[in-house]
Amino acid sequence: DAGVIQSPRHEVTEMGQEVTLRCKPISGHDYLFWYRQTMMRGLELLIYFNNNVPIDDSGMPEDRFSAKMPNASFSTLKIQPSEPRDSAVYFCASSLARYRETQYFGPGTRLLVL
Amino acid sequence: AQKVTQAQTEISVVEKEDVTLDCVYETRDTTYYLFWYKQPPSGELVFLIRRNSFDEQNEISGRYSWNFQKSTSSFNFTITASQVVDSAVYFCALSERGYSTLTFGKGTMLLVSP
Repeated sequence: DAGVIQSPRHEVTEMGQEVTLRCKPISGHDYLFWYRQTMMRGLELLIYFNNNVPIDDSGMPEDRFSAKMPNASFSTLKIQPSEPRDSAVYFCASSLARYRETQYFGPGTRLLVL
Repeated sequence: AQKVTQAQTEISVVEKEDVTLDCVYETRDTTYYLFWYKQPPSGELVFLIRRNSFDEQNEISGRYSWNFQKSTSSFNFTITASQVVDSAVYFCALSERGYSTLTFGKGTMLLVSP
């Protein structure tokens, strides 16, 4: 089975522009997680979904960030408007269960906001 | 609160040396899971191992071995006869019932030189 798929792999944009990151989880996985990785803060959980429903979005930094999961095979993370401090690597991960099972990560999207 | 400490920020070894990466965790739960992930220079996060709190048997997989000791709350990772391809950042992570998702350590950067 294919792993977690993320697109784009790299994104360079200018401050103020809208950015949309996409994720396709592993088929059959009920949980989907969005993380952000920076040098300063390490890996941070932004939001996670269970069966397409957002369960915990307490890690979303501010209202400029939004995430959706319209169906079991697709999720988006949107930043509008983007700011230079949003530059980071954004990872999507999926798992069969919340805490017992392994989270498998996608390759990440490297975002640079100029 | 759950916490993962990887005290070694960076380790440098010469190829064929053995190296141990330390991981110490804190949790109030009796049921929890521990993980190790590898992040090579290419950036993806690769799952290496999962261990539950009731299984203290050490695990060996090729040149990799893991030592889980509940008495010291440690889950250390040893690479035997290190190779240049082992150069990466290694993350230890903890998951328990009462929390949304994984808690990651800060990571240990391993540099293996020829």
